[in-house]
Amino acid sequence: GAGVSQSPSNKVTEKGKDVELRCDPISGHTALYWYRQSLGQGLEFLIYFQGNSAPDKSGLPSDRFSAERTGGSVSTLTIQRTQQEDSAVYLCASRPRTGSGNTIYFGEGSWLTVV
Amino acid sequence: GENVEQHPSTLSVQEGDSAVIKCTYSDSASNYFPWYKQELGKRPQLIIDIRSNVGEKKDQRIAVTLNKTAKHFSLHITETQPEDSAVYFCAASKGSGGYQKVTFGTGTKLQVIP
Repeated sequence: GAGVSQSPSNKVTEKGKDVELRCDPISGHTALYWYRQSLGQGLEFLIYFQGNSAPDKSGLPSDRFSAERTGGSVSTLTIQRTQQEDSAVYLCASRPRTGSGNTIYFGEGSWLTVV
Repeated sequence: GENVEQHPSTLSVQEGDSAVIKCTYSDSASNYFPWYKQELGKRPQLIIDIRSNVGEKKDQRIAVTLNKTAKHFSLHITETQPEDSAVYFCAASKGSGGYQKVTFGTGTKLQVIP
């Protein structure tokens, strides 16, 4: 597609349920990032993929959070046993391989509300 | 790891005045510094970037300066307009090599008063 695609765009879930958020990066982009943005706050780094591997997952807030990337393309962020403090916008971004430009492109985000 | 600090957190200017946002970074190996603009409810979008082999870059009313020695970089917006009102994020990254984590500043909410 033309840009980074995320789904769902909006998700309301009950506390304790699991959720999966999907990111489809720009075709050919090898680097993929997940960030979390709480209302009115900055961009909190969660995890970074280079290809299918995750050299840095230091930003994942707890073991309830996990992410995977398959085929060097689509990534899924999974939040288990959701808590109200997980409510935020989850932004995915992708970036071309080294030497082809450094611009990071963001998706529209998945707005998660835990009630 | 990299740490990026951004100031001020909020900034109000009169339409037509200039706005300056400043960032510092900690990792001297960082060599790519983008700036993003995020309008309310929208995704962050790149407005300008600078690489470490350049001291200044300008694009119409927007300019970015970089001081590698002091490890700080700044965004300058001249002749501000109401549509410049948004949250602006600076970032630092290593633009080549295997590890490309991008670290963002905490954001500056700019309000341009008509």
